[in-house]
Amino acid sequence: SQKIEQNSEALNIQEGKTATLTCNYTNYSPAYLQWYRQDPGRGPVFLLLIRENEKEKRKERLKVTFDTTLKQSLFHITASQPADSATYLCALYYLSGNTPLVFGKGTRLSVIA
Amino acid sequence: DVKVTQSSRYLVKRTGEKVFLECVQDMDHENMFWYRQDPGLGLRLIYFSYDVKMKEKGDIPEGYSVSREKKERFSLILESASTNQTSMYLCASSSLVGRSNDGQFFGPGTRLTVL
Repeated sequence: SQKIEQNSEALNIQEGKTATLTCNYTNYSPAYLQWYRQDPGRGPVFLLLIRENEKEKRKERLKVTFDTTLKQSLFHITASQPADSATYLCALYYLSGNTPLVFGKGTRLSVIA
Repeated sequence: DVKVTQSSRYLVKRTGEKVFLECVQDMDHENMFWYRQDPGLGLRLIYFSYDVKMKEKGDIPEGYSVSREKKERFSLILESASTNQTSMYLCASSSLVGRSNDGQFFGPGTRLTVL
């Protein structure tokens, strides 16, 4: 079965720096990959979607890359702020069959002022 | 603003009770999902539905059932609640694959405690 690994459970960075979160997967590449933000006690919020034929996607201070050769997606937050502190989840979607999204366990990001 | 609502934020039930968790979305989405989330285990899919009256088992369907009588409503039923079903339950909806660049929209969650 498909396995997703997000680089670490927790990541601490200084305010103003760029946070980089990693999502690695095994086996075959998904049709697309999504990133979500989750605050404690709340449901995840969709941030970005990148398709397998796209290398990079940007939205304001967020940037996502998708490398099907490395089987990896990188999620960057530039000029990070304490308000960016949250858990970030990656999720993969495969076109074969009625398979829904497969979620990683998330990386908890803390931006320290 | 798009919205997924869940019937309760917090719920306390006794072992053996039948529990209903309701989810309603106002985005005319075809797909609806029920997850549970536990520390260290991440999001786990219980059931999902691609259309009215249709349902598919997810990764952990045992002890649960679902009902989708109307497009906007997806109910999760715990037939006989047990303590190991104490968890955060999250409902989500999405449009059909390929129709948009949106992901899944999640509700606020229901924290269920079974005593």
